[in-house]
Amino acid sequence: QKEVEQNSGPLSVPEGAIASLNCTYSDRGSQSFFWYRQYSGKSPELIMSIYSNGDKEDGRFTAQLNKASQYVSLLIRDSQPSDSATYLCAAEGPSNTGKLIFGQGTTLQVKP
Amino acid sequence: DAMVIQNPRYQVTQFGKPVTLSCSQTLNHNVMYWYQQKSSQAPKLLFHYYDKDFNNEADTPDNFQSRRPNTSFCFLDIRSPGLGDAAMYLCATSRDISYEQYFGPGTRLTVT
Repeated sequence: QKEVEQNSGPLSVPEGAIASLNCTYSDRGSQSFFWYRQYSGKSPELIMSIYSNGDKEDGRFTAQLNKASQYVSLLIRDSQPSDSATYLCAAEGPSNTGKLIFGQGTTLQVKP
Repeated sequence: DAMVIQNPRYQVTQFGKPVTLSCSQTLNHNVMYWYQQKSSQAPKLLFHYYDKDFNNEADTPDNFQSRRPNTSFCFLDIRSPGLGDAAMYLCATSRDISYEQYFGPGTRLTVT
């Protein structure tokens, strides 16, 4: 069973700090990875995609991918209370199916 | 703005009474997905269309059907809803397989 694992949290950080969210995946064949943010009662919102080893930065967000370690992370700099949400990590499932394998999500709480 | 639209946003149906949820997109994406998400769980893929080709997940109950009459629209039919089918139903689209998936706002289904 191909899996994506995340710590459910909650991860609590003070406002202005760096929040670090981590994710591991089991399928070495996965090539595409995504981070979604989901506010309570709302739908997932894509915030980052990453396909190659290394870092990818977009504003306050940095995604990191290490395929050798099967590890994906998301760093949020200068965390704001509005960043408080559940963050879902997703990995591409079996090739050419379009299926995403989602982790259970990490709840982030940013305290003012 | 290009977007994914779902109607209705909230749907209440009676046990066993058929219900249809709709999704439309202005992104001109080839792939449309239907997910089911229950409280505190990850989204679960039910099926997807690549253009007109339908792809059902092995564990999707027969009670769930889908139609895609054209590129822009996709429907989810639940033939005989049970109490266990109460959930958020999410439609997502992507340009092609393995590309980013963009979610609509979801339909919250309540079964009484």
